[in-house]
Amino acid sequence: EVQLVESGGDLVQPGGSLRLSCPVSGFTFSSHWMTWVRQAPGKGLEWVANINPDGAVTWYADSVKGRFTTSRDNAKNSLYLQMNSLRAEDTAVYFCARLRGTRSTFDSWGQGTLVTVSS
Amino acid sequence: DIQLTQSPSFLSASVGDRVTITCRASQGIGNLLVWYQQRPGKAPNLLIDAASALESGVPSRFSGSGSGTEFTLTISSLQPEDFATYYCQHRHSYPLTFGGGTKVEIK
Repeated sequence: EVQLVESGGDLVQPGGSLRLSCPVSGFTFSSHWMTWVRQAPGKGLEWVANINPDGAVTWYADSVKGRFTTSRDNAKNSLYLQMNSLRAEDTAVYFCARLRGTRSTFDSWGQGTLVTVSS
Repeated sequence: DIQLTQSPSFLSASVGDRVTITCRASQGIGNLLVWYQQRPGKAPNLLIDAASALESGVPSRFSGSGSGTEFTLTISSLQPEDFATYYCQHRHSYPLTFGGGTKVEIK
């Protein structure tokens, strides 16, 4: 069974940093592109970042470029999102998900972790 | 950037109704469109890829169509478990974007 379990969400002050983790199981992690998608409270879905199987290629939404960094450790079957210079508008549930092949079709999702940016 | 506009944003319907949701892209994206269903408090669930390819395990009452800039998701006979929010997403190029969502509620 494919499983993705996000963790690391917390209450953080504006300007602060946070690191999210997404350990996975049930599939060959090192063969898959992965993604982060977020959802502000009561709002729609927003794509955040993609990373290729070996971690050498990443893509970011303009809203997080320069502040967020996604990475992965294939030996630990884990995906990460380092979030710096956090803003109130970054408050959201953050989901990790698996891409289907090289297509940006998100076919398996974690349950999400809540990040709240507030003073 | 490619913008996706979903309509309606809210839909009230009864069990057994036929429901159609539209997703319009700001430029042509071929068939590179994906549909997801999200129930309250849950992660999104993949329904349809490549505009019309039904995901394994998804009931056949769901169907997708369209290409270029206009796409539709149809539920032929609405069931109680279908009351949820539906999102389209393009995978044509970066940045990836989602439509604003269509919330389907019980009439």
